[in-house]
Amino acid sequence: EIVLTQSPGTLSLSPGERATLSCRASQSLIGNYLAWYQQKPGQAPRLLIYGASSRATGIPDRFSGSGSGTDFTLTISRLEPEDFAMYYCQQYSTSPPMYSFGQGTKLEIK
Amino acid sequence: EAQLVESGGGLVKPGGSLRLSCAASGFTFSKAWMNWVRQVPGKGLEWVGLIKRITDGGTTHYPAPMKGRFTISRDDSKNTLYLQMNSLKTEDTAIYYCATGDSGSYSWWGQGTLVTVSS
Repeated sequence: EIVLTQSPGTLSLSPGERATLSCRASQSLIGNYLAWYQQKPGQAPRLLIYGASSRATGIPDRFSGSGSGTDFTLTISRLEPEDFAMYYCQQYSTSPPMYSFGQGTKLEIK
Repeated sequence: EAQLVESGGGLVKPGGSLRLSCAASGFTFSKAWMNWVRQVPGKGLEWVGLIKRITDGGTTHYPAPMKGRFTISRDDSKNTLYLQMNSLKTEDTAIYYCATGDSGSYSWWGQGTLVTVSS
């Protein structure tokens, strides 16, 4: 089983600042099947990034993903008030099909 | 637009059973790999399992903690996904989401249904 570790646990920033969230996998992700989600209280998660760096439909370009192998990053270039939420990374491995999530990073207003 | 609507959650005693449903619309359900994901309120996300489309064998896959107690099935004629949960434990208390997508990620999620396991 691939374990994803997200850091930091909590990130305190102000609107307009740049946010950098990290996700580290316990083994290399073949195919870079790494996704990022945003979740707000009382809502289902929303897909932001898939394939490590591709933005999902309708996601603003201030969100970007990067990385490969075991180290991945979600960057929010300039924080908007609506960006303060929980963020999860998720991986998919193919044989057999398995998914797992990181424990999450809380992005809070400083 | 794709829509997923879960139902069937509620209060159940430890050791009991429950079947959740997920009604799908707005996309070709029979072509989709369907998943269940759960979330203990206030905690993180946990993959529960998936069922492949029939043309890929319709096989199911579960993480180790779910094997043996949880069973995922699908009825493509009804565009509905199911999760049968047996021998429920208090630690199974969570919001259960159905979800689907491609490229190893979940583009669409339902709103979730709350399962509470308590005596």
